[in-house]
Amino acid sequence: DADVTQTPRNRITKTGKRIMLECSQTKGHDRMYWYRQDPGLGLRLIYYSFDVKDINKGEISDGYSVSRQAQAKFSLSLESAIPNQTALYFCATSDSRGSNQPQHFGDGTRLSIL
Amino acid sequence: GEDVEQSLFLSVREGDSSVINCTYTDSSSTYLYWYKQEPGAGLQLLTYIFSNMDMKQDQRLTVLLNKKDKHLSLRIADTQTGDSAIYFCAERPTTSGTYKYIFGTGTRLKVLA
Repeated sequence: DADVTQTPRNRITKTGKRIMLECSQTKGHDRMYWYRQDPGLGLRLIYYSFDVKDINKGEISDGYSVSRQAQAKFSLSLESAIPNQTALYFCATSDSRGSNQPQHFGDGTRLSIL
Repeated sequence: GEDVEQSLFLSVREGDSSVINCTYTDSSSTYLYWYKQEPGAGLQLLTYIFSNMDMKQDQRLTVLLNKKDKHLSLRIADTQTGDSAIYFCAERPTTSGTYKYIFGTGTRLKVLA
């Protein structure tokens, strides 16, 4: 979905490094989410945000932090990366004003921690 | 607890119909979504249904909902090789504060030429 842009698309880094994944959207949605996808586990929610400066933990927030400084941007940080954080990471948005409120996803960031 | 389950794999021949199944456990009113994930891409919304509906049709896609059994299916008519992808079922219970989307593990559809 070109309206939700994630950078970088791929990243390989070493254990202990700090990493930031960026997400920006042009959909004008108020809500943003970070998920990780692992084979056989589906998508698991890391953090979500309902508005600027609003931050909420998801089911697997340990080892991650986020920042929502503007409505269109939501960044995910790994303060000290470890190998089991190797995964495919997705950013998603949704609009709280709609009734059905589907999520719209970026194309993902493939992160490998060596 | 809340859970969404799907079978992991489905293989069909080109031109046949595909039926991908999903079961969910939440008992409240809920939205149910189908997403498609192609290699190297994110999840693309295909269709959705609210739990007060039984069926929704959109071109080659038909969604059927059995509320009693909490069973959702996605039928793809005249399946093409371009339909090969992973299909995710997801639900959003409307009583959860609307933030929670529960995803299944995905069904990998392989279309044989």
